[in-house]
Amino acid sequence: GQQLNQSPQSMFIQEGEDVSMNCTSSSIFNTWLWYKQDPGEGPVLLIALYKAGELTSNGRLTAQFGITRKDSFLNISASIPSDVGIYFCAAAIQGAQKLVFGQGTRLTINP
Amino acid sequence: NAGVMQNPRHLVRRRGQEARLRCSPMKGHSHVYWYRQLPEEGLKFMVYLQKENIIDESGMPKERFSAEFPKEGPSILRIQQVVRGDSAAYFCASSPQGTLNYGYTFGSGTRLTVV
Repeated sequence: GQQLNQSPQSMFIQEGEDVSMNCTSSSIFNTWLWYKQDPGEGPVLLIALYKAGELTSNGRLTAQFGITRKDSFLNISASIPSDVGIYFCAAAIQGAQKLVFGQGTRLTINP
Repeated sequence: NAGVMQNPRHLVRRRGQEARLRCSPMKGHSHVYWYRQLPEEGLKFMVYLQKENIIDESGMPKERFSAEFPKEGPSILRIQQVVRGDSAAYFCASSPQGTLNYGYTFGSGTRLTVV
């Protein structure tokens, strides 16, 4: 079945550092989404990407929809303590209403 | 404008009992999606419903699991004769129409523990 391989699985960084994580697949997708999940809560949408090659920013977050439609990356600049959490990529094929999720990247920030 | 409301937040059931999870979509949203998250994993799609219709249940286990979204009231995910492997967080999401162009809004989830 369709799978998303998200890396790295975990990151330990210093406050103020930039963060980069990515998601790859052997399947083609038409929509890529990035979510953040805090402990005990549901995922919250950060960025949505709908076109191959699209680069979108949301504050300190930047995400790109890979040109091959098989990958996406998320960058966080100048990390702050509230960035701690688990980041998930998710993707969907044309016309489908269900999302496939990656396994998540757990971000920990050392003060 | 209230978000997606799920209850209960935590549910403990003994093996063999029934679990009923409820989801009230955001106001104006007529499409509901259920996902399951096992510990340390990503979310897995279970079922997509509109009012009184199951649109896609390709992620639902064939036995013991059922879902409904009646004309009135919340969507219900029902798990009969629960087993330890059903312990997970169950998330509901809603959208105003059947398109991802508007994104999903997830609820806070129901954490089911089977003892």
